[in-house]
Amino acid sequence: DSGVTQTPKHLITATGQRVTLRCSPRSGDLSVYWYQQSLDQGLQFLIQYYNGEERAKGNILERFSAQQFPDLHSELNLSSLELGDSALYFCASSARDRGPYEQYFGPGTRLTVT
Amino acid sequence: DAKTTQPPSMDCAEGRAANLPCNHSTISGNEYVYWYRQIHSQGPQYIIHGLKNNETNEMASLIITEDRKSSTLILPHATLRDTAVYYCIVNFDSGSRLTFGEGTQLTVNP
Repeated sequence: DSGVTQTPKHLITATGQRVTLRCSPRSGDLSVYWYQQSLDQGLQFLIQYYNGEERAKGNILERFSAQQFPDLHSELNLSSLELGDSALYFCASSARDRGPYEQYFGPGTRLTVT
Repeated sequence: DAKTTQPPSMDCAEGRAANLPCNHSTISGNEYVYWYRQIHSQGPQYIIHGLKNNETNEMASLIITEDRKSSTLILPHATLRDTAVYYCIVNFDSGSRLTFGEGTQLTVNP
């Protein structure tokens, strides 16, 4: 158990819909990361937040957005869903935003868009 | 971040040491070598990281060559539960994104 929690574990929704994925980082970790893992793209970094502020952006679509709240939990919002958005979405946390700190990953949310 | 090259797959007998190689010939002086693994669709798990010196923890050992152009992750006594995809990642700043490649599928056989 990494200490990172993600909800829900599974999500099935239709194209065009909007969903919200939730992540709670390990106790004391200020940095949260979101990654997407699909069959054809592998594990890809989406976005990072540190103590409520956006720190880095990766291959995140404009239809996707995220935020980190004062209690440090984070939400990833996916809108106008397409079939290709079906993937595993992982959240990770680390102690700081820079430096050689390992990232701890949650169990993921499996999103299926039908 | 420097690019890494790993064999796509390896096999190991249970109880034996698993030695997973990684080439990172373009690594720069301030880049760390990280190893993570992913057991069948679970969240990736941090294993170990190092800069120049060899490192050891309760999970594994990391051997980095003197020129830092390659490294080897050693699982000293592999078990069936070590079957996973192992990712070698070279990163200047692990506080930011991790760039995962294809990794090595390690299969531990009974």
